[in-house]
Amino acid sequence: DAGITQSPRHKVTETGTPVTLRCHQTENHRYMYWYRQDPGHGLRLIHYSYGVKDTDKGEVSDGYSVSRSKTEDFLLTLESATSSQTSVYFCAISESQLAETQYFGPGTRLLVL
Amino acid sequence: KQEVTQIPAALSVPEGENLVLNCSFTDSAIYNLQWFRQDPGKGLTSLLLIQSSQREQTSGRLNASLDKSSGRSTLYIAASQPGDSATYLCAVRPGGSQGNLIFGKGTKLSVKP
Repeated sequence: DAGITQSPRHKVTETGTPVTLRCHQTENHRYMYWYRQDPGHGLRLIHYSYGVKDTDKGEVSDGYSVSRSKTEDFLLTLESATSSQTSVYFCAISESQLAETQYFGPGTRLLVL
Repeated sequence: KQEVTQIPAALSVPEGENLVLNCSFTDSAIYNLQWFRQDPGKGLTSLLLIQSSQREQTSGRLNASLDKSSGRSTLYIAASQPGDSATYLCAVRPGGSQGNLIFGKGTKLSVKP
């Protein structure tokens, strides 16, 4: 299994509070991704990174920000959590963007009350 | 806009049966297509990756085919086992410079002993 960990694995928070999710990899892969998975929508890309300090938006980036200060860590921040951000969040990594498969972390379940 | 559809949403079969899962996509200009497996409460595991120039890929009891012109892919599972029970997701990587994965909603497979 690819060395990807996500923390926390479960979190309950209240509307309006900031939340940061962490993805850590030990594979030294260049690309890192944040997805959310919701019933009826499948997986949707939030943000991705193609190198340290290099990030770009995905399909559903509103309300989220990301940072990557080291190759191994990719942080997803909800500046002011809303109930619509209740979801399961997955981090993924890949060596390159086009040809390679993506390897997924175990996910973080976030409940915003 | 590329859309990926998987039918059926759920499938239940007896052990030992051969089965086919379907994936269709609206834009044939894809770079590659992947099939993933997701077990309950877990992340995704890549099963097969088919490049746009390929017609099929095989791994053990799994065979994935790709017909770009008709916008279809199938995942064939031979001699199904209870351990094959999971959700199977199809994802396409559109052609073009960005090319981030677009996922279907998945087919939930249950193999009964």
